[in-house]
Amino acid sequence: EPEVTQTPSHQVTQMGQEVILRCVPISNHLYFYWYRQILGQKVEFLVSFYNNEISEKSEIFDDQFSVERPDGSNFTLKIRSTKLEDSAMYFCASRFQGDEQFFGPGTRLTVL
Amino acid sequence: KQEVTQIPAALSVPEGENLVLNCSFTDSAIYNLQWFRQDPGKGLTSLLLIQSSQREQTSGRLNASLDKSSGRSTLYIAASQPGDSATYLCAVKYGGATNKLIFGTGTLLAVQP
Repeated sequence: EPEVTQTPSHQVTQMGQEVILRCVPISNHLYFYWYRQILGQKVEFLVSFYNNEISEKSEIFDDQFSVERPDGSNFTLKIRSTKLEDSAMYFCASRFQGDEQFFGPGTRLTVL
Repeated sequence: KQEVTQIPAALSVPEGENLVLNCSFTDSAIYNLQWFRQDPGKGLTSLLLIQSSQREQTSGRLNASLDKSSGRSTLYIAASQPGDSATYLCAVKYGGATNKLIFGTGTLLAVQP
């Protein structure tokens, strides 16, 4: 069964460093998302992406964040200058034309 | 503000018991509602999606119901098994131009053998 994959599973970085989180959505899906879950808190929406552009973003998704679909398969989230409070589990999700969103296993980001 | 809450926060039941998890949302103008399962340190597995026009959806031992007017959804798990132990999340998508899911706080379920 097709699934969303994410790499790496765990990323440790120093505060102020740039990180890129990678996702491979399900191959025929058209809509792509990033969510995050700070330990012990709710899963919260960051950004959605469709037709090679951001379709919606939350107030969390400020100028230090960016997303890209560099080729036909990958979808990336870049954090330019990481802060301690960026430590969280980051989930990628995708969907086709229907409404069901399918989530990846997540990348645990630890900022020291 | 559109919020989603889940009660109880944690639930422990003996194996074989039928159980109900609750999800409440403040704004009844939802587009759809999705139930997920999350195992510790893992991703989210979609269990059921119920459209705003539907009253319920079933998959195996799971049944989700939706009552928009009261702002509630329930997830019924029949004949619970230890393998059902996980955190269960509900997430709401509202109508209009938004794409995002708004998640609840989750219910941590432990099924005792």
